[in-house]
Amino acid sequence: KAGVTQTPRYLIKTRGQQVTLSCSPISGHRSVSWYQQTPGQGLQFLFEYFSETQRNKGNFPGRFSGRQFSNSRSEMNVSTLELGDSALYLCASSLAGLAGELFFGEGSRLTVL
Amino acid sequence: GQQLNQSPQSMFIQEGEDVSMNCTSSSIFNTWLWYKQEPGEGPVLLIALYKAGELTSNGRLTAQFGITRKDSFLNISASIPSDVGIYFCAGQTETSNTGKLIFGQGTTLQVKP
Repeated sequence: KAGVTQTPRYLIKTRGQQVTLSCSPISGHRSVSWYQQTPGQGLQFLFEYFSETQRNKGNFPGRFSGRQFSNSRSEMNVSTLELGDSALYLCASSLAGLAGELFFGEGSRLTVL
Repeated sequence: GQQLNQSPQSMFIQEGEDVSMNCTSSSIFNTWLWYKQEPGEGPVLLIALYKAGELTSNGRLTAQFGITRKDSFLNISASIPSDVGIYFCAGQTETSNTGKLIFGQGTTLQVKP
């Protein structure tokens, strides 16, 4: 069974640009969650999607957004990038009834210059 | 916001030794989970706990959901070199089953052969 796939794995952007990250969940998983991981703040919840609807949102500014498609694949977008947005962005999928048992991808490492 | 205090921050032990780490919170959690992250990878779920007082094992790993619902611990017995990594506790306060977790800051484990 294929795991959670995230693309791209690495990317470099400059301040003010925007970025879109993609996540393909494990087949059969309808819940997709996104987390930001930094050395200073650790793992922080961004948002969760279930059946194409945002079910939960963390405490991040509106520059961070996401969506989920009918095949459960998800994307997250960050607009007007800031230096502090440099981080590892992790996507996780889970089964509907066990949404807390997350299966993480390897992440997309974003560097903002 | 809600925080999880995880300790110790790091451990350097000899192969064969037992390891213990714990997480505490000022808030009540409905679910406690333990994850392990290795370099270049996303966190991997080790153990999930759903009931106060629950004690669950996964091979050499044992975790408990504290009676007060404000703490959890993870023990690793007879450590081996492949136990090296960062261990995270995570809790879920939502009464409904979601992918929104609060993570501890992690315990970095190093094992000397």
